[in-house]
Amino acid sequence: RKEVEQDPGPFNVPEGATVAFNCTYSNSASQSFFWYRQDCRKEPKLLMSVYSSGNEDGRFTAQLNRASQYISLLIRDSKLSDSATYLCVVLPSSGGSYIPTFGRGTSLIVHP
Amino acid sequence: NAGVTQTPKFQVLKTGQSMTLQCAQDMNHNSMYWYRQDPGMGLRLIYYSASEGTTDKGEVPNGYNVSRLNKREFSLRLESAAPSQTSVYFCASFRPTDSGANVLTFGAGSRLTVL
Repeated sequence: RKEVEQDPGPFNVPEGATVAFNCTYSNSASQSFFWYRQDCRKEPKLLMSVYSSGNEDGRFTAQLNRASQYISLLIRDSKLSDSATYLCVVLPSSGGSYIPTFGRGTSLIVHP
Repeated sequence: NAGVTQTPKFQVLKTGQSMTLQCAQDMNHNSMYWYRQDPGMGLRLIYYSASEGTTDKGEVPNGYNVSRLNKREFSLRLESAAPSQTSVYFCASFRPTDSGANVLTFGAGSRLTVL
């Protein structure tokens, strides 16, 4: 089983829609969680960190469920510019070494 | 601007040639990483360096070597390039903080084609 799993999609939604992505992880020692956004042929960029209590940044809401070992990303009022691949990143801590593990990404296409 | 700088951005090699991808960060991060990204495979860790003077293998280290020259620089070397190494390579750096505002920062990527 891959350490971090995501539905690759694509999720094809109209502008204004609400869309949610889930990501599951297998390492219960994982300490930090992130959502990154990657545009075609560009480097991944941090969208938001995911905190235990859940957090919101504008139209984006991230949730963490440690008991079930998954994180989620909710995008409200989708914009055309939200079209991208969303990467789930999990960061276990192992003896002082920090090794981020990535899901394969979920592709989002927002159409007019 | 502060960040991670990778060179070259593009490179075409012939099978058997060697080359080094350079990476430098100016954020005083301890940890640095090299990933490769292939279609449908996601980001796979090649090598990482938890601190200056240390390097460790990641998920796909075969055919690569690395050097952590100092705290700023982490280079990736292909001694004898193979077509299977055609990929996009990303360097990244990371430093944990007490506030939990940990950020993994990527370079812009190096697109390598091996003929």
